[in-house]
Amino acid sequence: DIQMTQSPSSLSASVGDRVTITCQASQDISNYLNWYQQKPGKAPKLLIYDASNLETGVPSRFSGSGSGTDFTFTISSLQPEDIATYYCQQYDNLPPTYTFGQGTKLEIK
Amino acid sequence: EVQLVESGGGLVQPGGSLRLSCAASGFTFSSYWMSWVRQAPGKGLEWVANIKQDGSEKYYVDSVKGRFTISRDNAKNSLYLQMNSLRAEDTAVYYCARGVVTTTKNWFDPWGQGTLVTVSS
Repeated sequence: DIQMTQSPSSLSASVGDRVTITCQASQDISNYLNWYQQKPGKAPKLLIYDASNLETGVPSRFSGSGSGTDFTFTISSLQPEDIATYYCQQYDNLPPTYTFGQGTKLEIK
Repeated sequence: EVQLVESGGGLVQPGGSLRLSCAASGFTFSSYWMSWVRQAPGKGLEWVANIKQDGSEKYYVDSVKGRFTISRDNAKNSLYLQMNSLRAEDTAVYYCARGVVTTTKNWFDPWGQGTLVTVSS
């Protein structure tokens, strides 16, 4: 089974800061990686699909990059409404199965 | 508006059973894979099971194989999760999620609001 290692597990940053979260796969997953945002008490929301594609309606300050085993999620200028936990998610297509990273809890300093 | 509404959660004793439901609206339910994803209190997300559009393919995480059964009724726009032989470690919020699944794309969007299952004596 593919393991996903996400870091850091928590992060404190100031409004306006650039924030970066990484996700590492235990083997090559091409670009089969998505990023989700989960605000407290809410369901997760898709932000980035296939490693680097911004979901419709998601602010452009969010971005993703990477392929193979190493992936990065970036918020270019942190806003107060970005307080949430962020998860990477790897997927296989044959059969369709999924593994999430452990999550990164983002707080405002 | 695309909407997923889960129901059926509650308190159940270890070894007991529970059936979760997810009512879908705002999209052609029969055209999409559907999944259940759970989140233990204060923990991360774990995919549980999914089902193909016509119900012909079903897949499960190893920890629930043989205990949980996913099913759907396309005429009722509904997804189900039958959970048997429940354990304390199955305690979680269970989310229903629509799957976008092709040969090169695969993600969950949107998700329901979740229903809490508590397994305790």
